[in-house]
Amino acid sequence: QLQLQESGSGVVKPSQTLSLICAVSGASITTPGYSWTWIRQPPGEALEWIGDIDYSGSTHYSPSLRSRVTISVDKSKKHFSLQMTSVTAADTAVYFCAKRAMATDAFDIWGQGTMVTVSS
Amino acid sequence: IVLTQSPGTLSLSPGERATLSCRASQTFSASYLHWYQQKPGQAPRLLIYGTSKRDTGIPDRFSGGGSGTDFTLTISSLEPEDFAVYYCQHYGGSSYTFGQGTKLEIK
Repeated sequence: QLQLQESGSGVVKPSQTLSLICAVSGASITTPGYSWTWIRQPPGEALEWIGDIDYSGSTHYSPSLRSRVTISVDKSKKHFSLQMTSVTAADTAVYFCAKRAMATDAFDIWGQGTMVTVSS
Repeated sequence: IVLTQSPGTLSLSPGERATLSCRASQTFSASYLHWYQQKPGQAPRLLIYGTSKRDTGIPDRFSGGGSGTDFTLTISSLEPEDFAVYYCQHYGGSSYTFGQGTKLEIK
């Protein structure tokens, strides 16, 4: 059974870089037809897609975050990562990793989420 | 494309029928419209994909429909565990967008 688990720094200072990892278990991260996604949710607000990386390594980012975001895959360590530079208080949110099945286009498996607070 | 969900909050009693709306600012393929349920402190869960297809394990009291710019999620008879926030979501060609959510609360 495929499972996802986020980990990373819970508190990040303004202007610094946010780094998160999503560990993938129960399936290969290079499975054709799978895309690995980051989504965030500020407290009390709606969900926001950040970007994704597919099984071939191709990345796609939200136009509003593209200049600050990098998503990468570590095949040997079976995880994918999110880095977001120059963070501000507006980046405070619960960050979820998720799997998108390219056949259905929907986010069908989610991690539990990890809270990141931007504060000095 | 902007997704607008209505109502913002829906107050109903167990056993009642719930109809949630998701309206898009432009027409798009129904294949790209999905619905999620989120309970407090939990990750969202996929309910419906491609407008009308239930994900694995989703009870048949959940159904989806619509086309063009208007889509609906219907819960035929509310169970206590159905009270949650529901989001619609679509793919717009270059990015993925979620609606602002409908909170379904117990009346």
